[in-house]
Amino acid sequence: NAGVTQTPKFQVLKTGQSMTLQCAQDMNHEYMSWYRQDPGMGLRLIHYSVGAGITDQGEVPNGYNVSRSTTEDFPLRLLSAAPSQTSVYFCASSYSRAGNTGELFFGEGSRLTVL
Amino acid sequence: AQTVTQSQPEMSVQEAETVTLSCTYDTSESDYYLFWYKQPPSRQMILVIRQEAYKQQNATENRFSVNFQKAAKSFSLKISDSQLGDAAMYFCAYRRRSGGSNYKLTFGKGTLLTVNP
Repeated sequence: NAGVTQTPKFQVLKTGQSMTLQCAQDMNHEYMSWYRQDPGMGLRLIHYSVGAGITDQGEVPNGYNVSRSTTEDFPLRLLSAAPSQTSVYFCASSYSRAGNTGELFFGEGSRLTVL
Repeated sequence: AQTVTQSQPEMSVQEAETVTLSCTYDTSESDYYLFWYKQPPSRQMILVIRQEAYKQQNATENRFSVNFQKAAKSFSLKISDSQLGDAAMYFCAYRRRSGGSNYKLTFGKGTLLTVNP
């Protein structure tokens, strides 16, 4: 049971570089999302998608792009990395329909450092 | 907008004793979920317990139980017979159960629990 798979688990970037965090889920979940975790801030929503071809912004979207071409995949792109984007990133997914358990299933997280 | 507040940044407990972590939330909705997630040093987010707001009975999962006070908008987590493996960051989270914005989990800032041997 793979669940939610995120890659890479660790990455170091230089300011201005670009990169993509990959996320894939095999549970046929409609809803997928990206959160960032910073000390003392909890988890904050970056972008989310409620289905293939549909994405929208969360609380802290600036500096990040997403796309959802398939149900399974939801990559997060940093176009020009900044030190403020140093964080731990989580991909999470769930069913979006009411009446389900409501639980979000998380990937293992990706620690990104921008120098 | 919904908010979730965890007023205890850090807590500690002796092994085998009981500890309660506090959480309050603010919402105008009546139909929602509340969760406690555990994040050990491995960084993995692990669901500890879930409560549906329409259920009056408090959820329990083995040594973990909640005290859900809907009118007071309070959702505390009690850990009984604490074990060293319970040491982790604990996050309280809220999610609408239906309607718009039901995709989103709103998290508190977390409580770091230390278990002393």
